[in-house]
Amino acid sequence: SQTIHQWPATLVQPVGSPLSLECTVEGTSNPNLYWYRQAAGRGLQLLFYSVGIGQISSEVPQNLSASRPQDRQFILSSKKLLLSDSGFYLCAWIQGRRNTEAFFGQGTRLTVV
Amino acid sequence: SQQGEEDPQALSIQEGENATMNCSYKTSINNLQWYRQNSGRGLVHLILIRSNEREKHSGRLRVTLDTSKKSSSLLITASRAADTASYFCATDYSGGYNKLIFGAGTRLAVHP
Repeated sequence: SQTIHQWPATLVQPVGSPLSLECTVEGTSNPNLYWYRQAAGRGLQLLFYSVGIGQISSEVPQNLSASRPQDRQFILSSKKLLLSDSGFYLCAWIQGRRNTEAFFGQGTRLTVV
Repeated sequence: SQQGEEDPQALSIQEGENATMNCSYKTSINNLQWYRQNSGRGLVHLILIRSNEREKHSGRLRVTLDTSKKSSSLLITASRAADTASYFCATDYSGGYNKLIFGAGTRLAVHP
């Protein structure tokens, strides 16, 4: 069966420090991968999505970047965190065909202090 | 913004009552999906309705889709305290596929 792992669950980082969040998927191949951010009590904002290794689409200009070094690995990074980067980050995958649902990781609560 | 919008933002009901949440969106879609999120957790898929479907059922869930009005509704019948969560609609835009755009969600509280 397919599973998605996202870590860490919580993270407190100082302003100006780097960030690396990792997401891996098991049990499927060539998934579409996504990073979303959720502000407290709000909806999900799509940050990045990837349809294949090395293929990254950015949805909003920001202080973050994403990479997909392997088929089932998706990494969210920042060189220098800002206070506004705080939030709940969610990784998700969708099988690359039409009309299928997304499967989400458990999320990372990032607090930039 | 392509983002869908749900209403109400918050809904408080008693166990046994029905809960109805609405979603509006802006452009043509391949499908519309509803997800549930317990506090501080990831989202769980509930139901998907394709653009050529008008109504779909799954257990106590009923979803309708009106593409002419660009709107959808999620009905939870005979609600339970365990249904307390946030509910989000997500649209898969027909300009591509599998790029889900989420609304702001409805926070549902079901009181025993």
